[in-house]
Amino acid sequence: SHVLTQPPSVSVAPGQTAKIACGGNNIGRDSVHWYQQKPGQAPVLVVYDDSDRPSGIPERFSGSNSGNTATLTISGVVAGDEADYYCQVWDSSSEHYVFGTGTKVTVL
Amino acid sequence: EVQLVESGGGLIQPGGSLRLSCAASGLIVSSNYMSWVRQAPGKGLEWVSVIYGDGTTYYADSVKGRFTISRDNSKNTLSLQMNSLRAEDTAVYYCARDRIGYCSGGRCFGGDAIDVWGQGTQVTVSS
Repeated sequence: SHVLTQPPSVSVAPGQTAKIACGGNNIGRDSVHWYQQKPGQAPVLVVYDDSDRPSGIPERFSGSNSGNTATLTISGVVAGDEADYYCQVWDSSSEHYVFGTGTKVTVL
Repeated sequence: EVQLVESGGGLIQPGGSLRLSCAASGLIVSSNYMSWVRQAPGKGLEWVSVIYGDGTTYYADSVKGRFTISRDNSKNTLSLQMNSLRAEDTAVYYCARDRIGYCSGGRCFGGDAIDVWGQGTQVTVSS
């Protein structure tokens, strides 16, 4: 089954670029989705199918996926991007959703 | 507007039972892959269970045999019956909809991203 590993934390200065990795065995073969979760709120989908954005999500959010690592990139970080971020894939062999361990993004 | 609203959470003793409900508006529960996802205090997201449009269900190993997902098509609601509750089941439980999951012609297609989430309901298992 899938195990998705993320760094516990990432710190970034305002206006800079944050990159959040999601590691998994041959994850490049899967479609990876990313969620943003702020304290006390439900998760929000920010990237789906590796690199597509739902309507209403700023272009600052982008994604890529290759080999054993998927990456969420937040360009021109603003204070409002401070949140927990989770990657997710669908495990078709077990018909389960699998979430990554989560990364806390801190805006300095 | 698409909306999911959970209810039924509360404080329950270990070994007890609780039934969560999720009222949907703007979408048809029976036409979608619908899931429950939980989040223990200070922890990450954990998928719990899914029900497909054709009624097929799947469970995380941590809840298999104790939890049952179901839906009421006439009320457009999703439910989670939780039995033999343990302290480790303490979490916020979210109702959620898969972005593209659907069933047609005897086959089901989905398992993608979750694009609609409820606000969550707190379940606390403690004596």
